[in-house]
Amino acid sequence: GEDVEQSLFLSVREGDSSVINCTYTDSSSTYLYWYKQEPGAGLQLLTYIFSNMDMKQDQRLTVLLNKKDKHLSLRIADTQTGDSAIYFCAESYDNQGGKLIFGQGTELSVKP
Amino acid sequence: SAVISQKPSRDICQRGTSLTIQCQVDSQVTMMFWYRQQPGQSLTLIATANQGSEATYESGFVIDKFPISRPNLTFSTLTVSNMSPEDSSIYLCSVEEPGQGHNEQFFGPGTRLTVL
Repeated sequence: GEDVEQSLFLSVREGDSSVINCTYTDSSSTYLYWYKQEPGAGLQLLTYIFSNMDMKQDQRLTVLLNKKDKHLSLRIADTQTGDSAIYFCAESYDNQGGKLIFGQGTELSVKP
Repeated sequence: SAVISQKPSRDICQRGTSLTIQCQVDSQVTMMFWYRQQPGQSLTLIATANQGSEATYESGFVIDKFPISRPNLTFSTLTVSNMSPEDSSIYLCSVEEPGQGHNEQFFGPGTRLTVL
């Protein structure tokens, strides 16, 4: 069945770049998403990428997709302490969004 | 994006009781979903709340344990029945909205449930 994997922890220094990685198994995924969950808060949709794209940039965020290897990454440039949160990647396998399969989440810790 | 609220935001309940969680959206939406996030875990879809018909449950979730109502296009409830400590989780509702070329899914703030 569908499976999405992420590393659990990442620690970086303020001002450095953070790269959060995700692998997935469902080759029929249409869209892949990145969500951010701050402590005690719900999920915030950060960005998404369509499966026929290689890269998408949105301000400090860059999403890279390697469809051959089923590998997705989120790069955060100039990481700030406010970026500390859990980051979830998710894939949709209904063509119009709908059901999302989430990874375990990567806890990003940004040290001053 | 739609503004989604949930009530209660948190609760502590006794084993064997039931809790109903409400999800309110500030605009009409077709698709609403209920997810569970167990402690330290990822999100798992419980069911799709269909307006005017029975909810569609994912494997491992049943209507008797998680009855869902969807009386209109802005509101849904999830009941966690006959609770046990294993039901301690964050329960989140989400809605689907049209985005650029596809639908995007947005989440409520969640209801943190602790069962003693």
